[in-house]
Amino acid sequence: EDQVTQSPEALRLQEGESSSLNCSYTVSGLRGLFWYRQDPGKGPEFLFTLYSAGEEKEKERLKATLTKKESFLHITAPKPEDSATYLCAVQARWGSQGNLIFGKGTKLSVKP
Amino acid sequence: DAGVTQSPTHLIKTRGQQVTLRCSPKSGHDTVSWYQQALGQGPQFIFQYYEEEERQRGNFPDRFSGHQFPNYSSELNVNALLLGDSALYLCASSFYGDSLETQYFGPGTRLLVL
Repeated sequence: EDQVTQSPEALRLQEGESSSLNCSYTVSGLRGLFWYRQDPGKGPEFLFTLYSAGEEKEKERLKATLTKKESFLHITAPKPEDSATYLCAVQARWGSQGNLIFGKGTKLSVKP
Repeated sequence: DAGVTQSPTHLIKTRGQQVTLRCSPKSGHDTVSWYQQALGQGPQFIFQYYEEEERQRGNFPDRFSGHQFPNYSSELNVNALLLGDSALYLCASSFYGDSLETQYFGPGTRLLVL
């Protein structure tokens, strides 16, 4: 069964304290892995798509990496405005193609 | 460039009632997917529409049905509402011709069933 597990469930950081969020996945052929940011009561905001192992994408203080079993979202020198829930999702190459399978997310809090 | 829009933003219903939620996709997109997100959980796939047909369906009962119109907008209908249907309902749009069909989400409709 295709599934996504994110850890930790919650992460508290001081402003400027870098860290990483983990997304482990099991899927019958990976078509793509997606990272989204979600603010309370809002819809997920697209951040990155990763296609294959070894790929990296960067946007401001965020950097996403991908291996054959997991993805990491690295946050460098975070600011309070980075506080949000970060969701990881995979899209399978076969069967559930088109359907995003999400993890439960990591809730990030950055204190000034 | 308008993003994905959804209406209404909030809705309160009672058990047994029926509800219709609406979604307009991002400009240039032709595919609409619907997700249910319970509090503290990740979104769960309900179904996806392309060319006015249900292309794929998740593990949701037949009480959940949908429709896509010629202008690519979509509706999600839920019959015989249960307390457990209370959730944030998200619409996402994508372009079928895109190799990965990256999905962009709307702000959601918060449904409360009493």
